[in-house]
Amino acid sequence: TAGITQAPTSQILAAGRSMTLRCTQDMRHNAMYWYRQDLGLGLRLIHYSNTAGTTGKGEVPDGYSVSRANTDDFPLTLASAVPSQTSVYFCASSDRGHTEAFFGQGTRLTVV
Amino acid sequence: GQNIDQPTEMTATEGAIVQINCTYQTSGFNGLFWYQQHAGEAPTFLSYNVLDGLEEKGRFSSFLSRSKGYSYLLLKELQMKDSASYLCAPMDSNYQLIWGAGTKLIIKP
Repeated sequence: TAGITQAPTSQILAAGRSMTLRCTQDMRHNAMYWYRQDLGLGLRLIHYSNTAGTTGKGEVPDGYSVSRANTDDFPLTLASAVPSQTSVYFCASSDRGHTEAFFGQGTRLTVV
Repeated sequence: GQNIDQPTEMTATEGAIVQINCTYQTSGFNGLFWYQQHAGEAPTFLSYNVLDGLEEKGRFSSFLSRSKGYSYLLLKELQMKDSASYLCAPMDSNYQLIWGAGTKLIIKP
């Protein structure tokens, strides 16, 4: 069982370039999330989607966009990367709002 | 505002017991989760409390007091593999998880 898969695992990106982080789940979960995790800080929610076709802004949405065309996929796009977006990005999904979230393995992004 | 407070780091001895405390303030409350995160890996689910009291699951137990905005995770019979960060995450009225920075637990032989 794959669960939730992120790609790429790591990436070095030049500032000003765009990039899409991919996230796919095979658990048919309704809710999906994108977090960033920085040293010394808790996971911070970037964007979320409660169901296919809908998205919402989290705590730190600026500089990021998402789409949810279907249940399985939830890509995160950086339109013009900046060094402050250097972080580890985790995608997660959950069946319903009050059930446990399952996390992908993370994408380590370095913007130089 | 919403706030989570848990110790930054704790050290314990293999075979011993350790309690990791978490206090929280959230806009509404829909339960509290504990996750374990090994270095360089994704968080994994440990426990969920929505009612006051103690939930036991093997070597791990989690306690919740909603009136005090307080939870703890109790780990018994510590093993070296328990060295990890432990993340406290209450869920607010919008069913969004509010994450603490985590407690790094170091287990010594």
